[in-house]
Formats: sequence, structure tokens, C-alpha cells
Amino acid sequence: SQQGEEDPQALSIQEGENATMNCSYKTSINNLQWYRQNSGRGLVHLILIRSNEREKHSGRLRVTLDTSKKSSSLLITASRAADTASYFCATDATGEDYKLSFGAGTTVTVRA
Amino acid sequence: EAGVAQSPRYKIIEKRQSVAFWCNPISGHATLYWYQQILGQGPKLLIQFQNNGVVDDSQLPKDRFSAERLKGVDSTLKIQPAKLEDSAVYLCASSPRAVAGGRDTQYFGPGTRLTVL
Repeated sequence: SQQGEEDPQALSIQEGENATMNCSYKTSINNLQWYRQNSGRGLVHLILIRSNEREKHSGRLRVTLDTSKKSSSLLITASRAADTASYFCATDATGEDYKLSFGAGTTVTVRA
Repeated sequence: EAGVAQSPRYKIIEKRQSVAFWCNPISGHATLYWYQQILGQGPKLLIQFQNNGVVDDSQLPKDRFSAERLKGVDSTLKIQPAKLEDSAVYLCASSPRAVAGGRDTQYFGPGTRLTVL
């Protein structure tokens, strides 16, 4: 079963704008990870945020985690055409910490 | 360092036929994963190996799917016989440590796109 659900399912923005996508999950987690998948390719790890962390940054990416609301957000600032991809959150549920459960993803299209 | 290698990249078969996929993880990575990704969905874990032992295969349809990881390095995933609903991308991933899968970064291969007619 898929633990995480991303919102929106699809997002279209102009180059230079920010893109925000959200992930909600159902059970307690140890960690939450975000991955990117370009069309026809494998997934690439972006960020891992632990349950005791609230915010992490990596370059133009900002991830927040609110364990009380069981939700996370991924913000991409100053988007580029190369950011066009699907973005997945993956959770490491407490008690099932040997595996990641992926959501269905948010498809982001950055228009030039 | 070289990434996770998978072959073939594409495979088309008819239902009830057999198919095998191969994965070579990043050198030295202890943990290897096989995922199934159906179009429009996120990856679903099929099986996870730590070294050459199985950690979790609870979502592997064992009546038709099998996987092995010989000598704790390369791995093969087999489907026999294939069904229409097996059409998907099969992704292999590896991670460096022999720890719980969710606590480590996973490195994915490009996947094998399987079409069952």
C-alpha cells in the first residue's frame, strides 16, 4: 500500500517561479525522503529529513516536515526547465523501517 | 563511481511467457531492492536483499515472481508466467549500508520497461 500521497498530482509553472508540492502520510515515520524521476529514467534522491527535524535545505530545494499533521512539503525555488520531472515522497514508517513506501508523485512541468 | 546497471532496458513478451531482468548494483553496496512501478504510480517494493539474504519479500507474488542475489552482488528478477498486469517498469536500487532501507539513500538504476501483450 502507498503510505504517502502527493498533492497536487500535476503542476505547471513558468521558468523562474517557485514550485511547491505536498505529501501527506498516514502513520508515524522515522524518516521521509524526496526523490525526482525524469521521464524514462530511474529515481534520484533529493533529500532525507528525519522525524525530529522540521526543515532542511539543499541548494534550491527546501523541505519541511510537520509530524503533528503527518505532512511534508517540497519547495523548488527559481525553477528551471531541467526541473521538469515527477517528484515522489517516500516514507519509512515506524515498525516497517526496513522499507520505503512511495506516493504516486507530483508531475512538475516548467515552461520556458 | 558507476551507477546501478540494469538490462535489458525494454522487453516485450506475450502473456504466459517468461522473462528475466538483471541488476548490477553500485560496487560495495550491501542492500539491493527491486521495485515495480506501474504507469502513473510510485514504485512498490517487491523484494529487498541485505548482502545475499532476503529482508522483505512480502509484496512479491511468489507464485510467479522469483529473485536471487548471488554472492551478494548481482541480482536477477524472474517472472514466470507473465500476466498482462505485470506490464510496468522494474527498477533496481542499491544502498551502501546493511541497515533499514528507509534510513539510507537509495540509488536507482534506469529500469526495465516490460510490456506484456
